Amino acid sequence: DVVMTQTPLSSPVTLGQPASISCRSSQSLVHRDGDTYLSWLHQRPGQSPRLLIYKISNRFSGVPDRFSGSGAGTDFTLKITRVEAEDVGVYYCMQSTHFPWTFGQGTTVEVK
Amino acid sequence: EVQLVESGGDLVQPGRSLRLSCAASGFTFGDFAVSWFRQAPGKGLEWVGFIRAKFYGETTEYAASVKGRFTISRDDSKSVAYLQMSSLKIEDTAVYYCTKYGGMADSWGQGTLVTVSP
Repeated sequence: DVVMTQTPLSSPVTLGQPASISCRSSQSLVHRDGDTYLSWLHQRPGQSPRLLIYKISNRFSGVPDRFSGSGAGTDFTLKITRVEAEDVGVYYCMQSTHFPWTFGQGTTVEVK
Repeated sequence: EVQLVESGGDLVQPGRSLRLSCAASGFTFGDFAVSWFRQAPGKGLEWVGFIRAKFYGETTEYAASVKGRFTISRDDSKSVAYLQMSSLKIEDTAVYYCTKYGGMADSWGQGTLVTVSP
């Protein structure tokens, strides 16, 4: 199975400041079709997850442009340019290139 | 608006069966795969399984933890997907979510809680 490792696991941030989360996979996430199926999801406390980023860097509909994804192969990053109060919660990276699909452990973003 | 609504969660005893439903609206259901995920209390997200669209044979994939016990099916005429769970274990206790999948798992529903307890 592909192991997804997120760092940090906890990220205390100041509102208005940037935040960054790293996700590393144990093997390349490039699919045989040429795409890389690496997504980022956000789960606010008590809510369902919601998709933020798909295929490394594509923002899903309605996602603010302060969120961006980057990376390739086995190393990926989610960046928030200026953290807002609504951004708190847990962020997960997920790979859907290889079965079984797997998630990172989750990174908790909280306000300092 | 794309919407997926899970239902069927309940309190069941170990060894029993349960069927969850995922009702979809707002898109052409038959054109997309459907995936199921779960989240145990206080834990992270876990992929459960996946069913391809009819065009791809409605074939399925499962996590090792549920393979042989869970079965995913779909009824495109009703825009519904199902997760049939049998031989339930205490460790299957979780909120179960379904999503449509077209290269990304979007439009997560509110989930349905399955509690397996003696």
